[in-house]
Amino acid sequence: QVQLVESGGGVVQPGGSLRLSCAASGFTFSNYGIHWVRQAPGKGLEWVAFIRYDGSNEYYADSVKGRFTISRDNSKNTLYLQMNSLRAEDTAVYYCAKGGPAWQWLPPDYWGQGTLVTVSS
Amino acid sequence: EIVLTQSPGTLSLSPGERATLSCRASQSVTSSYLAWYQQKPGQAPRLLIYGASNRATGIPDRFSGSGSGTDFTLTISRLEPEDFAVYYCQQYGSSPPWTFGQGTKVEIK
Repeated sequence: QVQLVESGGGVVQPGGSLRLSCAASGFTFSNYGIHWVRQAPGKGLEWVAFIRYDGSNEYYADSVKGRFTISRDNSKNTLYLQMNSLRAEDTAVYYCAKGGPAWQWLPPDYWGQGTLVTVSS
Repeated sequence: EIVLTQSPGTLSLSPGERATLSCRASQSVTSSYLAWYQQKPGQAPRLLIYGASNRATGIPDRFSGSGSGTDFTLTISRLEPEDFAVYYCQQYGSSPPWTFGQGTKVEIK
């Protein structure tokens, strides 16, 4: 079955950096786009970034553009989110979520359980 | 950026009742690329509906979606105890950002 397991969260000071990982299994990773979506404590969902199945295109929310970088290693079935210049408002649970296949435009269907990032001094 | 506004903010109903949740977009959603998710406390969201009206794999038929353009609805025909949760709509049109609504909480009356 489809599994997405995030890791790399933790406590970081404002201005610091963190790299999240998402290990995927149960599907052909290289055929699917993948999203990062976050949720601040007690708040709603915020889409953060998306990368196409082959890594050819990346898309970002304005709130993270220029600070976060999404990437993937299809040989390792792993997605990454490099987060730099972190701010208090980046504090959230970060989910990776499987998007649609290369040949079909679909929303995120399977989600990981999330990893908590806390930006605090 | 397309802004999605969900209403009501909270819906207080009893098991067995019908729930009707609304999602209104600030501009037309491309090709009805509108999805609905359910989220329970401490859990990841679960996809319920995509393409405005298509049930995702394994979703019971008491959940249905409708609408087009700027107005969309999620209907739960008869609420089961496990349906009390927060529901989000999301538009996933051809251009980012792929925004979410602020959520509707369905609580037990």
